[in-house]
Amino acid sequence: AQKVTQAQTEISVVEKEDVTLDCVYETRDTTYYLFWYKQPPSGELVFLIRRNSFDEQNEISGRYSWNFQKSTSSFNFTITASQVVDSAVYFCALSELGGGADGLTFGKGTHLIIQP
Amino acid sequence: GAGVSQSPSNKVTEKGKDVELRCDPISGHTALYWYRQSLGQGLEFLIYFQGNSAPDKSGLPSDRFSAERTGGSVSTLTIQRTQQEDSAVYLCASSLNPGRAGNTIYFGEGSWLTVV
Repeated sequence: AQKVTQAQTEISVVEKEDVTLDCVYETRDTTYYLFWYKQPPSGELVFLIRRNSFDEQNEISGRYSWNFQKSTSSFNFTITASQVVDSAVYFCALSELGGGADGLTFGKGTHLIIQP
Repeated sequence: GAGVSQSPSNKVTEKGKDVELRCDPISGHTALYWYRQSLGQGLEFLIYFQGNSAPDKSGLPSDRFSAERTGGSVSTLTIQRTQQEDSAVYLCASSLNPGRAGNTIYFGEGSWLTVV
């Protein structure tokens, strides 16, 4: 069975600090995809990134970076020099090949609070 | 349209009444999904449409919940005889290619339902 764990329910940091959101997943498939979504107070889930299981290269996009490590089944998300606008709930999700509805399983989310 | 559109954005209804929530997916997206997000909880999968058919209804919590999709586009989620535990944000999403792992799923802003 597939499962996504985001152990951090809530994180609060002061603006300009770096912060890492953890995501640990479980799957029996060798082909799978991992996602991160951002949910600001408006409620809409905003797609951030998709990675497949065969590409372990870390990715950087501006202040955002992602660290994918198959050895620890983790796909962590780091925000560098955080800003108040980064405050949101962040969801990690897993999609398995052949899973129903694209097999998309979400973690429970991490509520990130950036204090000015 | 440019994004997934949902209506109403907010709905307050009395216990026992029926409600209809509408979703207009991104133009050209053949897959459509309904998720539910209760306060402080993660996303709960409800139902998935591939075109007008729903191959996966496993997430519907009870027979009070039903959904349909017409013309391969707009979908309606109906909750009959609403209960207080139905209070949640109902999120609709769509993706381009159904049934393939790794599809990026784009979400609407959700319909916030409150049953009083």
